[in-house]
Amino acid sequence: EDQVTQSPEALRLQEGESSSLNCSYTVSGLRGLFWYRQDPGKGPEFLFTLYSAGEEKEKERLKATLTKKESFLHITAPKPEDSATYLCAANSGGGADGLTFGKGTHLIIQP
Amino acid sequence: EAGVTQFPSHSVIEKGQTVTLRCDPISGHDNLYWYRRVMGKEIKFLLHFVKESKQDESGMPNNRFLAERTGGTYSTLKVQPAELEDSGVYFCASSQNDRLINGYTFGSGTRLTVV
Repeated sequence: EDQVTQSPEALRLQEGESSSLNCSYTVSGLRGLFWYRQDPGKGPEFLFTLYSAGEEKEKERLKATLTKKESFLHITAPKPEDSATYLCAANSGGGADGLTFGKGTHLIIQP
Repeated sequence: EAGVTQFPSHSVIEKGQTVTLRCDPISGHDNLYWYRRVMGKEIKFLLHFVKESKQDESGMPNNRFLAERTGGTYSTLKVQPAELEDSGVYFCASSQNDRLINGYTFGSGTRLTVV
């Protein structure tokens, strides 16, 4: 069974304090590893898709990387508006097209 | 471009009642998905439509849940009769066939509370 585990569950940082969120996955035939951002009362908002080990993608202060077992979301010099829950999800090649989600990391950036 | 629209945004019903959730996907998106997040757990896949056909309903909890997609446009998810454990946030998502590149677009969800 496909599994996605995120850590930490919650993270509180000072504005400007860089850090990384972890997503470890066990899936049969990864087709894509997705990162989403979710704000309170909203649905997940697409950030990145990564396909193969060694791949990196960037968007503003966020950079996502992928290995064969993990993905990291690096946040550089975060601002309070980066506060959100960050979700990792995997799409496997097992025939089903649904995403397998982790529980998310709740990130708080204090001014 | 309008996003994925879900309504109602909140619903409180009594155990044993029936509730119908609706999702309007982005126009032109053939793929439509339903997900659910139960408190304290991760978001879980329920089912996938391609146009009006159910492609995969492996995540549907039991036969109290019925999903339909009329004419390949909007979709409804009916829970009948509702049980306490059905409480949670129900998300709908849609995508084109390039979903591995551009991702899936989610609605804001329907928060269902069964009392």
